Parts: sequence; C-alpha cells; structure tokens
Amino acid sequence: DGGITQSPKYLFRKEGQNVTLSCEQNLNHDAMYWYRQDPGQGLRLIYYSQIVNDFQKGDIAEGYSVSREKKESFPLTVTSAQKNPTAFYLCASSHRPLQGSSPLHFGNGTRLTVT
Amino acid sequence: DAKTTQPNSMESNEEEPVHLPCNHSTISGTDYIHWYRQLPSQGPEYVIHGLTSNVNNRMASLAIAEDRKSSTLILHRATLRDAAVYYCILREVNSGYSTLTFGKGTMLLVSP
Repeated sequence: DGGITQSPKYLFRKEGQNVTLSCEQNLNHDAMYWYRQDPGQGLRLIYYSQIVNDFQKGDIAEGYSVSREKKESFPLTVTSAQKNPTAFYLCASSHRPLQGSSPLHFGNGTRLTVT
Repeated sequence: DAKTTQPNSMESNEEEPVHLPCNHSTISGTDYIHWYRQLPSQGPEYVIHGLTSNVNNRMASLAIAEDRKSSTLILHRATLRDAAVYYCILREVNSGYSTLTFGKGTMLLVSP
C-alpha cells in the first residue's frame, strides 16, 4: 500500500542535542511538508518542498532544517536552537503543488520529547 | 492569509446526521475548501474538498454557499468512529506555491 512513513513514533532527546525525524513516501508526490502540533492546537507549517533540491520556510522555521535530496524523502532536523522542541511532528505530501485542488496525505507523526 | 472560523466543539448522537459549519468570509476566487479530520495521536486524514459546487464522496458531503463565504461538512449518519477533530482549511496559491494553514478545528463528540 502507498503511504507516508514517519519514524520513529516516539523520540526522546536531551536538551542541546540535534535530532533528525524521518519521513518517506511512496506515493510519487512532488510536494512534501512538515508541520508541528502542540497540545490542543492546530498544525503550524515548518518547511515545505515542492520539488527535489528545493525547499521553502514555513511559518515557524527557526531552529529547524530540512533537505530534499530524493523525491521520496524529506527529513527534518530539530536543532539545539529550537527553544521549545517538544511537540508532535507531522509530515505530509501532495501532488501538483501549484494547484489548490490537491489534497494532503499525512503520516502518523513523531512525538518528540526533549528534557 | 485567508482564514476559517469553526466552532470549538459539537456533539451528536450515533446514527444521526451531523452538520459541521465553517466560515471563510475572506476567501478568494481561486481558493479550494478542504476538510480533514484527526483522531488522537494520528495524522490528519483527508475528507473532502471543493471549489464552488457541492461535492459528495463515500465519507461525507460538502455544501458550499453560493457566495463561497461559508461551507458545511455533512456526515450523513454519525458513527463512534467519526469522533475526531475536523479542520476546515483553504488551499491557497501563494507566490507559486500552495500550502495549507490549519486552525484549531471542531472537536466532534459522538454519543452512542
């Protein structure tokens, strides 16, 4: 079955360490996205990529970095510069990035806890 | 960014229809209206989307007002598995890219 795989489901890190969250899709989608969700809140866009080797900052990119070396993969690194990294991180993908009719497909998220 | 307004929560009984409203008074002519739902500790799931005409699929129906300033997601017969947070979102085209901005959504509670 096609879909988006995020790993791991739960991740624990000490403060000051960088951590990379994995996101892989086999839907042949051009566009990929990273969102952050805090308890009781909606989703906020961190970074997005419409094509390989290209990505753009979203609303809350500070303290995060991404790469898009392959169409299937869009890893997110949470750096030590991110002041409040504990959150639920969601990866998504879609077809046809320049049109508003393309729905997003989401993974099941990674819950990151930094202590 | 065009924004949406939804009630914080709604309640329904099982087997009854549910009408989830969404206001989007600043919608532009090229914005699509998308609905997603999210179960606890899971990623959002696409439900339905539309531009001007009402839409139906196996999950739900979407009724869009003639002036497009509001829309309603209709679940024809609610089940306990429909209990989730429902997000109404506008899919914008901005500077050549198209992203989604999620608000807090409506938490739907379904009672047996």
